[in-house]
Amino acid sequence: EVQLVESGGGLVKPGGSLRLSCAASGFTFSNAWMSWVRQAPGKGLEWVGRIKNKIDGGTTNYAAPVKGRFSISRDDSKNTVYLQMNSLKTEDTALYYCTAISPRAGTFDYWGQGTLVTVSS
Amino acid sequence: SSELTQDPAVSVALGQTVRITCQGDSLRNYYGTWYQQKPGQAPVLVMYGKNNRPSGIPDRFSGSSSGNTASLTITGAQAEDEADYYCNSRDSSGDPVAFGGGTKLTVL
Repeated sequence: EVQLVESGGGLVKPGGSLRLSCAASGFTFSNAWMSWVRQAPGKGLEWVGRIKNKIDGGTTNYAAPVKGRFSISRDDSKNTVYLQMNSLKTEDTALYYCTAISPRAGTFDYWGQGTLVTVSS
Repeated sequence: SSELTQDPAVSVALGQTVRITCQGDSLRNYYGTWYQQKPGQAPVLVMYGKNNRPSGIPDRFSGSSSGNTASLTITGAQAEDEADYYCNSRDSSGDPVAFGGGTKLTVL
């Protein structure tokens, strides 16, 4: 059974930093493209960014609102993907979902349950 | 542009057919993908590609596309289909970057 378990969310002040983790199991993590999607309270889904597997170059891509502030990395030995969030703004407040992408179909095939990030003074 | 537009809310009588639509320029080049989200739960993939359902998704769900519009049709809507539905599409990078604003489906 595929499982994605996010952790690391919490309350942080504007301008602060936070690192989210997502532990994966039930599939070959090293082959997977991984992505983060967020959802502000009562709002819709917003793509945050993506990291390819190492075979495909391990490159990242980010949404415009987070580019230069957020970074995604992975540790295949730990089956874990990370989202480093710096210079946080109040508008980054959201539930952050870890997802596994099917690169061929362009679909978010698996989702975690999310971890809540609240940016507030 | 990678913007996708959905009707905010749609309702359907139990057992009837409903179509949820999504419009955007990127849909001229890429098929739309659909996610169902129930309150307090993570989204679930329900439709992708030309008309493909992941394993476990009932066959009352179907997809179609024409021009800049993608559609998700539920034939014989059930109470458990009441949820928010989001469309998604890729941009020129190939990443699934664009989400529609979501459609809240109410089954009456």
